[in-house]
Amino acid sequence: SQTIHQWPATLVQPVGSPLSLECTVEGTSNPNLYWYRQAAGRGLQLLFYSVGIGQISSEVPQNLSASRPQDRQFILSSKKLLLSDSGFYLCAWSSKADEQYFGPGTRLTVT
Amino acid sequence: SQQGEEDPQALSIQEGENATMNCSYKTSINNLQWYRQNSGRGLVHLILIRSNEREKHSGRLRVTLDTSKKSSSLLITASRAADTASYFCATDANFGNEKLTFGTGTRLTIIP
Repeated sequence: SQTIHQWPATLVQPVGSPLSLECTVEGTSNPNLYWYRQAAGRGLQLLFYSVGIGQISSEVPQNLSASRPQDRQFILSSKKLLLSDSGFYLCAWSSKADEQYFGPGTRLTVT
Repeated sequence: SQQGEEDPQALSIQEGENATMNCSYKTSINNLQWYRQNSGRGLVHLILIRSNEREKHSGRLRVTLDTSKKSSSLLITASRAADTASYFCATDANFGNEKLTFGTGTRLTIIP
């Protein structure tokens, strides 16, 4: 069966520090991968998605970036965090067949 | 504005009652999906309805889709305390890409 992992589960970082969030998927090949951000009590904002290794589409201009160094690994990064980067970050995968499957999320607080 | 917007934003009902949430969207779609999110957790896929379908059932869930009105509803029958969660609709674009656009969600509280 397929599983998706995200880490860390929670993170507190000072403004201006770098960020690296990792997402890995097991049990499937060549999935579509997604990074979303969810502000408190709000819906999901799609940040990046990838249909293959090295293929990244950015949805929202910001100081975040994403990379897909391996088929089942998706990384969200920032060189310098802003206060507005605080939120709940969700990684998801799909098999190109409609449904998306979400990881447990990372709660990021920028102080 | 949001492609998918749910209403109401929040709903509280007694355990055992039925809960109905609505979703409206703006552009043509291939399918519409509903997801549930428990507090502080990831989203869980509930049900998918395709644009050529009008109604779909899964256990205590019933979803309807009216493409002429660009709207969908999610009915949860015989609600349970464990149904307390936020519910989101998500739509794809009708030109074959793999992106979903999520609504802002309905926060459902079941009162025991």
